[in-house]
Amino acid sequence: GAVVSQHPSWVICKSGTSVKIECRSLDFQATTMFWYRQFPKQSLMLMATSNEGSKATYEQGVEKDKFLINHASLTLSTLTVTSAHPEDSSFYICSASSGVVRETQYFGPGTRLLVL
Amino acid sequence: RKEVEQDPGPFNVPEGATVAFNCTYSNSASQSFFWYRQDCRKEPKLLMSVYSSGNEDGRFTAQLNRASQYISLLIRVSQLSDSATYLCVVRTDKLIFGTGTRLQVFP
Repeated sequence: GAVVSQHPSWVICKSGTSVKIECRSLDFQATTMFWYRQFPKQSLMLMATSNEGSKATYEQGVEKDKFLINHASLTLSTLTVTSAHPEDSSFYICSASSGVVRETQYFGPGTRLLVL
Repeated sequence: RKEVEQDPGPFNVPEGATVAFNCTYSNSASQSFFWYRQDCRKEPKLLMSVYSSGNEDGRFTAQLNRASQYISLLIRVSQLSDSATYLCVVRTDKLIFGTGTRLQVFP
């Protein structure tokens, strides 16, 4: 299957700092990338959907000014958590779709964020 | 009411046992249905799609009842490596994940 990578795999930061997470599709062109968040013992929740070259579409309740998404190329999307706070500590997972079979999403390994 | 509901478990079963998980969804307009497997601190991985006619993949059998908005997963001859959390996933205009059912297979 298609391979999606994320970097970093984990990050610990102080409250108030910004954290950038990268999501890359390694062997296919991802026209659409998705960003999810999963809190302990909860389900994955979609945060936003991004299409290459256009603005991301955010789910209700997700602050677009706090979670900045950039999808500048067909193989790279970034999520920046600006001024992170302890309540932002979570498991962030991206997925990518080539759009050929839209419902097939390939998930990255996730980034675990801990904000102190 | 959650869009996708699952019994969180855990289900503790011995090796070789048969175990069944159930899931209900609230949106009758849902288009596609899946079971994913998620290991601890890992990303979810697609186990199988679920079709109205029912489908089987080795030891795994999935069923969908659109009238009842009910999805099931049956695992036969459980193995230690089956221990994981099984996520019921429904697609409307996006993927909606259940919270998962934890399975622990013991020797």
